[in-house]
Order: sequence, then structure tokens, then C-alpha cells
Amino acid sequence: EAQVTQNPRYLITVTGKKLTVTCSQNMNHEYMSWYRQDPGLGLRQIYYSMNVEVTDKGDVPEGYKVSRKEKRNFPLILESPSPNQTSLYFCASSLWSAPGTGEQYFGPGTRLTVT
Amino acid sequence: GENVEQHPSTLSVQEGDSAVIKCTYSDSASNYFPWYKQELGKRPQLIIDIRSNVGEKKDQRIAVTLNKTAKHFSLHITETQPEDSAVYFCAASVPNYGGSQGNLIFGKGTKLSVKP
Repeated sequence: EAQVTQNPRYLITVTGKKLTVTCSQNMNHEYMSWYRQDPGLGLRQIYYSMNVEVTDKGDVPEGYKVSRKEKRNFPLILESPSPNQTSLYFCASSLWSAPGTGEQYFGPGTRLTVT
Repeated sequence: GENVEQHPSTLSVQEGDSAVIKCTYSDSASNYFPWYKQELGKRPQLIIDIRSNVGEKKDQRIAVTLNKTAKHFSLHITETQPEDSAVYFCAASVPNYGGSQGNLIFGKGTKLSVKP
């Protein structure tokens, strides 16, 4: 089954404790992306990657890191989480191609709480 | 950078009526405009999209129109049904080098309620 998976789905952590949210897709997509969703603010892009070893900042990259060592995986790293990073996080993937064929398939989401 | 404004933030209609959601964007280089639907507690899913070389696209009860000159695009849902109730997001994609999909900027969303 074609899908995007994220782990963990729920996480409660404390300020400053490094964490990683994993994202994996089995559709051989080149393009992968991370978003955070906050009430009243919609979806905001954190980072995206057009292919292995190619990443770029989205709108709200501060406090986050990503890596793309393999095509299928795109982990999101919070080196020193803070309470303002409490949010619902979505990973998404799509084919790397000309615009118009870039439907993004979203993962199920990770609800992160930083106390 | 690109900025996408979406209106209204909430919309309530009677079943069978039409619903229209409007978005404006700021970057004239944006060339791809998808619409996503997010049901409560679920992930966003693409419902329709349009490229900048097309003015209108239709898929059954859903249509999207694009006015490049005015930099706005709209989602039209006809004959609304209770299962259309959800949050709808518009987005605009600024192409990256090489013309591929780059940064995707979403509007803040519209909560649509369809009353039976």
C-alpha cells in the first residue's frame, strides 16, 4: 500500500531534550516536506527536500533540522525543543516534476507537546 | 516571499447550496495552486489543483478558477452535502530552480459547515 508513515504519532517531551520525528514513504517520491499545523495559522512549511542530499528552508525553519540521506526517509530533528514548538507536524511527499503533477501525500501527523 | 490570503475563515451553508472560497497570492512567479481538504482529526488530502496556464478546472461538483492578472483563485463547490464539511486549504507553489515544485505556501484555511 502506497503510504507516508510518521513516528511517533504522539510525543510529550521536556524543553531542551533532543528528539527526532521519522518520516518514510514507499512511493519512490523525490520531493518530501515537513509542515507544522497550528490553530488559526494553517499549514506552514518547515523544510523540504527535492531529492537525496538536497534540502531547502521553508517558511518556519528556525529550531529544526532535517536530513535526506536516503530517498525514502526524511527525519525532522529538534535539537533543543521549546514550548513554542508544540504543534501538529505533518510529513508529505510527492513526485519531483513540473508543477501541476505535485500532489502531496500527507502522513498521519505527529502531535508534539513540549513542556 | 509568497503570501497567501484565504477568505472566509468560516463558512456555513445549507445542504444543496453552493460554497465559494477565495484566495489571493502575492508572488507572480507562483505557478501551481492546489486545494486540500482536511476532515476533523485527519490528514490533508488534495481535492483539486490548477496550473498557471489554465483558467478553470472542474471535477464533478468541485471547480477551481484562476485569475493570474488579479492573482487570485477560488474553489467552488456546488450541491453541497454534509460530507463536504471540513477545513479547506488553498496553497500556492513558487517554483524552484529547474522549474520543479519548491516552497508551498498555504492559506490559513476555511472551515466549511454544511447543514442538512
